[in-house]
Amino acid sequence: DAGVIQSPRHEVTEMGQEVTLRCKPISGHDYLFWYRQTMMRGLELLIYFNNNVPIDDSGMPEDRFSAKMPNASFSTLKIQPSEPRDSAVYFCASSPGTGQGPQHFGDGTRLSIL
Amino acid sequence: AQSVTQPDIHITVSEGASLELRCNYSYGATPYLFWYVQSPGQGLQLLLKYFSGDTLVQGIKGFEAEFKRSQSSFNLRKPSVHWSDAAEYFCAVGGGTASKLTFGTGTRLQVTL
Repeated sequence: DAGVIQSPRHEVTEMGQEVTLRCKPISGHDYLFWYRQTMMRGLELLIYFNNNVPIDDSGMPEDRFSAKMPNASFSTLKIQPSEPRDSAVYFCASSPGTGQGPQHFGDGTRLSIL
Repeated sequence: AQSVTQPDIHITVSEGASLELRCNYSYGATPYLFWYVQSPGQGLQLLLKYFSGDTLVQGIKGFEAEFKRSQSSFNLRKPSVHWSDAAEYFCAVGGGTASKLTFGTGTRLQVTL
């Protein structure tokens, strides 16, 4: 079975540009999570969705960040405008409904803002 | 609020030696506990999980972990480490499989030959 698929794997862009990260969760999983990983702050949950609806976005750092899930098989995380401090590895994870299993992670997008 | 503490930032063991990685959690109810491993440039891979029942859980790659409620701990063990086990290990706690997970800061394992 295909795992969680993220694209792109690497992104390098200049400060001020819009960045869009993409995620395809495992088919049948009802929950989708976006995380950010940095050396300084470790792994942080940004936002998560249940059945395409955002449940908790308290981890989104500021209004420059937005996430959408237009359907069960696709989600985006957008940063506009991007800043150097946004440089990190962004992970998407998905899990089935309550009581049915842990979160499965994608390989991440390594984002560098110059 | 839930939290996870991994007191060891970096551990070095010799290949063939035993391993124990420490994890202490704080959670107000019965926790769901997980260990993940991350190799460089990769995502997090689940090693094992504890939901309920037997407090000693077996995972992949020969790892096991023991849930001790009285000590709020969920330590990861392996009797004989292989060089390929070198990676970063994360402990996580949640209130349900699909709810928010809180991760520890990770323990980086180095294996010497």
